[in-house]
Amino acid sequence: EVQLVESGGDLVQPGGSLRLSCAASGFTFSSYEMNWVRQAPGKGLEWVSYISSGASIMYYADSVKGRFTISRDNAKNSLYLQMNSLTVEDTAVYYCAREGCSGGSCYDWGQGTLVTVSS
Amino acid sequence: QSVLTQPPSASGTPGQRVTISCSGSSSNIGNNFVYWYQHLPGTAPKLLIYSNNQRPSGVPDRFSGSKSGTSASLAISGLRSEDEADYYCAAWDDSLSGYVFGTGTKVTVL
Repeated sequence: EVQLVESGGDLVQPGGSLRLSCAASGFTFSSYEMNWVRQAPGKGLEWVSYISSGASIMYYADSVKGRFTISRDNAKNSLYLQMNSLTVEDTAVYYCAREGCSGGSCYDWGQGTLVTVSS
Repeated sequence: QSVLTQPPSASGTPGQRVTISCSGSSSNIGNNFVYWYQHLPGTAPKLLIYSNNQRPSGVPDRFSGSKSGTSASLAISGLRSEDEADYYCAAWDDSLSGYVFGTGTKVTVL
């Protein structure tokens, strides 16, 4: 069974930093592209960042470019999102999401972790 | 920002058919696959359709997807109470080099 478990969400002050993690299991993590997607309170889904399976290609939404860094450790089956210079607009539930299908499961998402940026 | 436009709401009675539209452009829907997600508050979004019209195993065949030009649609036939949720379309955007999501449609079962 594919499982994606996010962690690291917390209350942080504006200008602060936070590192989110996503632990993957149930599939060959190193073979799949991954994304971070967020949902601010009362808003829709917003794509944040993408990373290729081998971590050679990364893309970012304009709203986080230069402040967020996506990375992965295929040996640890883990995905990360380093978030710096946080603003109140970054307050959201952050989801990690897998691209592709395996074992009958497709484009899976984790349950999300809440990041609150407030003074 | 949401680049894909969806109606804010849709509704129907049990058993009816509901269709949700998703309008984009040549840089996203027109040139890439469309995905549809069902999202219930407090839960992980669930993939309903990928590659325009493919259903993952476990998704009822009441859900179907289609694409034409720069627009796509999700149809829910035989509407059931458990279909009450928010629905989002998504596609890769070549100009933005990133995914774009639709504005979201709240489906209500009357």
